[in-house]
Amino acid sequence: KQEVTQIPAALSVPEGENLVLNCSFTDSAIYNLQWFRQDPGKGLTSLLLIQSSQREQTSGRLNASLDKSSGRSTLYIAASQPGDSATYLCAVSRETSGSRLTFGEGTQLTVNP
Amino acid sequence: NAGVMQNPRHLVRRRGQEARLRCSPMKGHSHVYWYRQLPEEGLKFMVYLQKENIIDESGMPKERFSAEFPKEGPSILRIQQVVRGDSAAYFCASSPPGAWTNSYNEQFFGPGTRLTVL
Repeated sequence: KQEVTQIPAALSVPEGENLVLNCSFTDSAIYNLQWFRQDPGKGLTSLLLIQSSQREQTSGRLNASLDKSSGRSTLYIAASQPGDSATYLCAVSRETSGSRLTFGEGTQLTVNP
Repeated sequence: NAGVMQNPRHLVRRRGQEARLRCSPMKGHSHVYWYRQLPEEGLKFMVYLQKENIIDESGMPKERFSAEFPKEGPSILRIQQVVRGDSAAYFCASSPPGAWTNSYNEQFFGPGTRLTVL
């Protein structure tokens, strides 16, 4: 059974700091990994998707890496801003199409002005 | 291209009533998933459907819960005889057909329906 863990559970940083969020999964037989952002009381916004054959993906100030063999992914946020405050979720998919996502519990990020 | 739509956004029911949650996938998407987020917990998979077919319902409670995705119209998640423990946010996601190139099973989420059972 796939289990996804995110560390830390909560993180508070001053504005402008670079930060790393961690995600680990127990079963390395994954097809892809997605990072999402969830604002309080809102839905999920997809940030980045990394295929299992890829090592990293970048979008603006976000960079996600994947080490499938060790079961780890990191989300790097550069020059953090107060607007980045949200809960960040990682989720893994086992198969190519039509496959459930298994989510971690999330990291609650607060960026202080 | 509108995103995944869910309604209602908020739903209040008394114990024993029925709750019906609706989800319209993104245009062209043929795969629909339902997830539940209990208070202070992560998202958990419930069911995966394609048009007129339930593909995987291994995350669905055995009793009182059912889901459908008819040929025409939205997907429906139905909860009969609701109890307080059903209070949660229910999220729907959709993904494109497997034949689409570059789809990579990326799932797009709706805003959720927040169910409160009194």
